[in-house]
Amino acid sequence: NAGVTQTPKFRVLKTGQSMTLLCAQDMNHEYMYWYRQDPGMGLRLIHYSVGEGTTAKGEVPDGYNVSRLKKQNFLLGLESAAPSQTSVYFCASSYSRTSGSSGANVLTFGAGSRLTVL
Amino acid sequence: GQQVMQIPQYQHVQEGEDFTTYCNSSTTLSNIQWYKQRPGGHPVFLIQLVKSGEVKKQKRLTFQFGEAKKNSSLHITATQTTDVGTYFCAGPRSGGYQKVTFGTGTKLQVIP
Repeated sequence: NAGVTQTPKFRVLKTGQSMTLLCAQDMNHEYMYWYRQDPGMGLRLIHYSVGEGTTAKGEVPDGYNVSRLKKQNFLLGLESAAPSQTSVYFCASSYSRTSGSSGANVLTFGAGSRLTVL
Repeated sequence: GQQVMQIPQYQHVQEGEDFTTYCNSSTTLSNIQWYKQRPGGHPVFLIQLVKSGEVKKQKRLTFQFGEAKKNSSLHITATQTTDVGTYFCAGPRSGGYQKVTFGTGTKLQVIP
């Protein structure tokens, strides 16, 4: 049972290049999330998905696109990378328990993907 | 939008001293969770509080959820070097929202 797997773990891009980060979970979780972590900023939500074929914007969605074609996968794309997107990206997933009930929104994180944009 | 602030941002303590971090949300939370992130690692779930005024304990860690469900605290008694890391609170707004907003985090350093 691998949990949440992110690929790649490290990547260096030049400004303007594109790339896709892949997140895969094997826990049959309905919800999936992409966060970015920058020093002193905590974890900020980029996009999230409450089910296959659905996506929604988080706090900092500009410059990113996502897709959830399969329940177990959540892709984060950068169409034209900028130095401001240098960050550590974390994917997370959770069950779709009723909000307010025990276990609702409890996140399992992947190990992270460190992206540097030069 | 929802904002979740934590204080302090950093805390250095001598091993054996107590430590507390406070979490305040701009909106009422449906539930609150606490996560720990070791240096170089990823956030790992510690505990969830759902009820107003709830208090839970995990060995030396005590977690509280405020009566108004807008604030929370984590208290560690007699810190150990294994407690080093950044502690985050997180939660969705009440009302069935699924966006989980994280606090800014408190980085704990324990001096042996």
